[in-house]
Amino acid sequence: DTEVTQTPKHLVMGMTNKKSLKCEQHMGHRAMYWYKQKAKKPPELMFVYSYEKLSINESVPSRFSPECPNSSLLNLHLHALQPEDSALYLCASSQVVGADTEAFFGQGTRLTVV
Amino acid sequence: AQTVTQSQPEMSVQEAETVTLSCTYDTSENNYYLFWYKQPPSRQMILVIRQEAYKQQNATENRFSVNFQKAAKSFSLKISDSQLGDTAMYFCAFMRRFDDKIIFGKGTRLHILP
Repeated sequence: DTEVTQTPKHLVMGMTNKKSLKCEQHMGHRAMYWYKQKAKKPPELMFVYSYEKLSINESVPSRFSPECPNSSLLNLHLHALQPEDSALYLCASSQVVGADTEAFFGQGTRLTVV
Repeated sequence: AQTVTQSQPEMSVQEAETVTLSCTYDTSENNYYLFWYKQPPSRQMILVIRQEAYKQQNATENRFSVNFQKAAKSFSLKISDSQLGDTAMYFCAFMRRFDDKIIFGKGTRLHILP
């Protein structure tokens, strides 16, 4: 199993809504990532979890709240988003830091904030 | 800081032709990885090929090969016998060893024409 599964695939939410994006992998990877990708742009790193602990937060606004409840799951909680937060949100995972590694990506959640 | 530059925003080639995508990077590190990722319209980022900086031999994966010039900090991707399914956005990416962060170039949109 070399899959990273993201749900939902599409999400439309209002600026006052609270929603969550979910990501799951069963490859035994201990590093998990959230990226944001705007149209025709490269992915931008938001958060990195290493061994279920937040290791990198790229100065992301607090309306985005990540959570890693266990080694297989990664959530991104959304609250009071702005229309400019509309983007493709990609989850990725990789083996522990330091190993010969590559990142496996999910198909992403296309988020639209209205 | 590390940077990745892809100087070709868009390219088109005929099916079955060979195409080369350019990538240069800047780093003072000695231990790192370089990647080419493909992102088709389906949105999923797919690893095409990976190169470890400490390996002098250029990586190959079927029709995909790289020309890794460490001194010149160049990492180009060659696609041989191009196919319609190769149509996608291609991102060159860099990651330091013992690090969690992948740095992407701005991408090259490749169109394979029938």
